[in-house]
Amino acid sequence: GAVVSQHPSWVICKSGTSVKIECRSLDFQATTMFWYRQFPKQSLMLMATSNEGSKATYEQGVEKDKFLINHASLTLSTLTVTSAHPEDSSFYICSARDGRAYQPQHFGDGTRLSIL
Amino acid sequence: GNSVTQMEGPVTLSEEAFLTINCTYTATGYPSLFWYVQYPGEGLQLLLKATKADDKGSNKGFEATYRKETTSFHLEKGSVQVSDSAVYFCALNYRMEYGNKLVFGAGTILRVKS
Repeated sequence: GAVVSQHPSWVICKSGTSVKIECRSLDFQATTMFWYRQFPKQSLMLMATSNEGSKATYEQGVEKDKFLINHASLTLSTLTVTSAHPEDSSFYICSARDGRAYQPQHFGDGTRLSIL
Repeated sequence: GNSVTQMEGPVTLSEEAFLTINCTYTATGYPSLFWYVQYPGEGLQLLLKATKADDKGSNKGFEATYRKETTSFHLEKGSVQVSDSAVYFCALNYRMEYGNKLVFGAGTILRVKS
């Protein structure tokens, strides 16, 4: 149980395009979803937290207009990297948890984004 | 503030050796503690968790005990296998006004040789 599906797993696109990444909880209702960024051989950096039906809460230093997050349902959140540039290339990972106390976050398999 | 410190890697062991990866934390309140594992090119998988002091989390031969007195959550396994080679992250979970937040350690690379 507690499966999180992230799509696509790998995307390569030209500079200036926008890229959407989907994160779905397959067998539970995710009241909260999280988006992380991971640089090579480093830990995960939390970008934003989103609760279903409300605006995402962004971490300090993360551009809201650059990284658009939508959490319109209890099973789907999307991250859109707008007007992507090579410096946005990274490994993006989503996670989700249900609303019960002490429940862990369950992670997707990540999306490797490469901007040419 | 809340933070997690893990031992630096890489940790290189022979198959069937004993594994310890140290993890200590600082936190306000009473966080839950987790170990996650990341295989190359993949996301994170929950390995084990503990929600209160003296709890022992265990899974797949790995175990860790929540030690409040030493603020530690060290990961151990009695006999590692090549397939255990991965990056291991210690994390704590604490409550924010808008929900729960995970803080990760830097990660420890484990390499097991046959």
